[in-house]
Parts: sequence; structure tokens; C-alpha cells
Amino acid sequence: GENVEQHPSTLSVQEGDSAVIKCTYSDSASNYFPWYKQELGKRPQLIIDIRSNVGEKKDQRIAVTLNKTAKHFSLHITETQPEDSAVYFCAASGITGGFKTIFGAGTRLFVKA
Amino acid sequence: DTGVSQDPRHKITKRGQNVTFRCDPISEHNRLYWYRQTLGQGPEFLTYFQNEAQLEKSRLLSDRFSAERPKGSFSTLEIQRTEQGDSAMYLCASSPNRGNTEAFFGQGTRLTVV
Repeated sequence: GENVEQHPSTLSVQEGDSAVIKCTYSDSASNYFPWYKQELGKRPQLIIDIRSNVGEKKDQRIAVTLNKTAKHFSLHITETQPEDSAVYFCAASGITGGFKTIFGAGTRLFVKA
Repeated sequence: DTGVSQDPRHKITKRGQNVTFRCDPISEHNRLYWYRQTLGQGPEFLTYFQNEAQLEKSRLLSDRFSAERPKGSFSTLEIQRTEQGDSAMYLCASSPNRGNTEAFFGQGTRLTVV
């Protein structure tokens, strides 16, 4: 079945440094790759997404890259701030799965001031 | 209607009891999903509705779990004969019916089985 693997499970960076989270997916028919941020006790919320027809997308300090051949995608956060501390989930979905979203296990990001 | 709402927010039940949760999606969203999330894990897919039709149910889902969306609007998730392993956050999400797009999550129902 569909599977999304995410690494690392925990990431600690100094404020101002960059953070990179990597994911791989198994279903080659996946064509939509959202990233969610979940703060403690709150619902997951979309921060950025990428579709399979592009290789990179950027929104201010956040960027995502996608390599469809290798079935890899990554989240890059530059100039990290303490408020970036949260759990980040990568996910994948596609038409063969009825558009259901399959999530990775999450990366807990700590940004030290 | 400002988002997906779930009720109740918290539920404590004794082992063996039945529980039912409700989800009200964003009004114009045709798709509705149920997920389960345990501590330190990502949301795990449980089931999916397109309007009132339940199109997919996770193979990992026990027969004790059932979900309905009778009029294509709100949905209910029932767990019969609850077990301690059912303790988790149950998240509902909805999305519009236009290809692949963002799923909007509710605040979740935290179930504790004692």
C-alpha cells in the first residue's frame, strides 16, 4: 500500500540556521505533496504544497523540492525562528488513492534561541 | 462556517463502552476523511467519503469501527466495545471536490479509554 517515510524524526537547530526535512513515497501515482505544521495541542495546518508538474516551490522562508524519479521530496526552512518550533508532516496523495492523504510520521523541530 | 468542527473535543470512556464522534466539514466540501493520531505519529488514514458514499476504509481498521455520512454533510465515527488501544486523537478533515487539494482539519476528538 501507500507509504510515506520521513526523516529525521527530531531536528534541533540554532535560530537563524536552516532546517531540512526529507521524505520518500512509495506510490508512483502520487501527484500532490502537502506539508503540514502541527503545534502542540493544535490541528495540522498546511504550510506549503507542491504538485508533480513542478520541481520546486518557494514561499518566503519555506521551500519544497520534488524529485519524481527518485520519489523524494524535501522541506527547507531558512532563517529559522523560535516560532518555527513544531512538528512537521510531509504527505502524499494521488487519484488512485481517491485523493486521500498519506502522512509521514513527523519531524519534531526545535529552534533554539 | 469558518472551518471543520468536531464534537466532543474530549471523551473519556470505560473499556467496552461504545462511543460516537461527530464531524461537521466545511459546508461546500464534498470529501471528508477520518484519521487517527497517536502521540509522536502522523495522522493515520481511517476512512474517506465522497458526499454520502464511503469510498475507502483502511484495511487496518477493526470491524468495531464504523463511519457514516448519511446526507453528505456531517459524519459520525462510532467505535464499539472500546479497547485501551483505541485511545488516540481522532481527526476529521474535509476538502473540496476539485482534484488534489489541501485537506482542512478539525481540532480533533481526544479519546481516552480507561
